[in-house]
Amino acid sequence: DAKTTQPTSMDCAEGRAANLPCNHSTISGNEYVYWYRQIHSQGPQYIIHGLKNNETNEMASLIITEDRKSSTLILPHATLRDTAVYYCIVRFMDTGRRALTFGSGTRLQVQP
Amino acid sequence: GAGVSQSPSNKVTEKGKDVELRCDPISGHTALYWYRQRLGQGLEFLIYFQGNSAPDKSGLPSDRFSAERTGESVSTLTIQRTQQEDSAVYLCASSWATGVEQPQHFGDGTRLSIL
Repeated sequence: DAKTTQPTSMDCAEGRAANLPCNHSTISGNEYVYWYRQIHSQGPQYIIHGLKNNETNEMASLIITEDRKSSTLILPHATLRDTAVYYCIVRFMDTGRRALTFGSGTRLQVQP
Repeated sequence: GAGVSQSPSNKVTEKGKDVELRCDPISGHTALYWYRQRLGQGLEFLIYFQGNSAPDKSGLPSDRFSAERTGESVSTLTIQRTQQEDSAVYLCASSWATGVEQPQHFGDGTRLSIL
């Protein structure tokens, strides 16, 4: 799976959009970009994933650059409950490799 | 609830004892995964089930660890003769298995402490 690079930490004001970047410059054509988050003392929570096109669901939007070398997770109106570590994962489309590997992630602190 | 359920949520036991951790996946999810997360660390893959079979058990750290799944539903992770280094949060996840792009949905884990 391609390596990802994320900032170690970010702050965001409550009610504002949180934009979390992820660099995956070595991504290959059949690798998906996934985002998960982990709130303290809870299991990881799936947020969104995409291949080429931008995606939106009830939690967030995922913007993938045209060359697919980077992406941004957008939480449109951050709340205090969004304080968590956010993980960007690039996953190879190989039925044999099903385990998730999390890197260090970005610690997002939403400020009141 | 509709999510992945794990029990117990916390387990404290003495070194050398056996423990059993249970996972109830989301109904209909045929893929099930066990991971371990030590304090402040990332996820460590243990084993993957497709139905009741385990095509990938490459992450089990030793023969003290075993897992089974029955009825394409509940899974049990058993650790025999526990050691202090087994202390961690054990996480279970499940997913549809129709494609590798299907996201995994996690339970809140069992926090295992070995005295």
